[in-house]
Amino acid sequence: NAGVTQTPKFRILKIGQSMTLQCTQDMNHNYMYWYRQDPGMGLKLIYYSVGAGITDKGEVPNGYNVSRSTTEDFPLRLELAAPSQTSVYFCASGPSGSLNTQYFGPGTRLTVL
Amino acid sequence: AQKITQTQPGMFVQEKEAVTLDCTYDTSDPSYGLFWYKQPSSGEMIFLIYQGSYDQQNATEGRYSLNFQKARKSANLVISASQLGDSAMYFCAMREGGTQGGSEKLVFGKGTKLTVNP
Repeated sequence: NAGVTQTPKFRILKIGQSMTLQCTQDMNHNYMYWYRQDPGMGLKLIYYSVGAGITDKGEVPNGYNVSRSTTEDFPLRLELAAPSQTSVYFCASGPSGSLNTQYFGPGTRLTVL
Repeated sequence: AQKITQTQPGMFVQEKEAVTLDCTYDTSDPSYGLFWYKQPSSGEMIFLIYQGSYDQQNATEGRYSLNFQKARKSANLVISASQLGDSAMYFCAMREGGTQGGSEKLVFGKGTKLTVNP
């Protein structure tokens, strides 16, 4: 099992550009999450999904969109990149009904200039 | 109000000694879970240990143990016999609510940077 994979690992965007951060998991988890981690801070939830076709907002959803067409994939879309979106983005997944652990991907470091 | 508070921005410990990283939480939900994650300089998030609010005993995983004091709303991580490889950021996190409706969302603290000295 590869676990949770994210692409790209690094990206530099110009203000106003758009991009999609990819996230795939091969553990057949129903729940998937996107977090961002700003320098010196903990992770904050952007969006999450409890299954294919179902998504919901987290704590900091503004400026982002998600979709969940399959169990495996949960891409995060930035439509109009802003410097405030410079951060490290983590995707995570977890089994439904479980009270413990989420499994995290390696992260994507995004810089918006 | 912060739901997860880690009051130690940085901690130092000598190799082979034990260290306690503090975490307090705030919730009115009777059902919740508490997690600790390790983030080394390489950046990945590594799950260490979990404690459920109804668990009667403190969780342990190898050299990691969770000192769970429910009345004080604290969930401190204890690392025994520290190793150089334990140097990293450590995050405490909480999940509130039951297991339905995507309630497995985690709220993270700001982290504690642990440095293990040889």
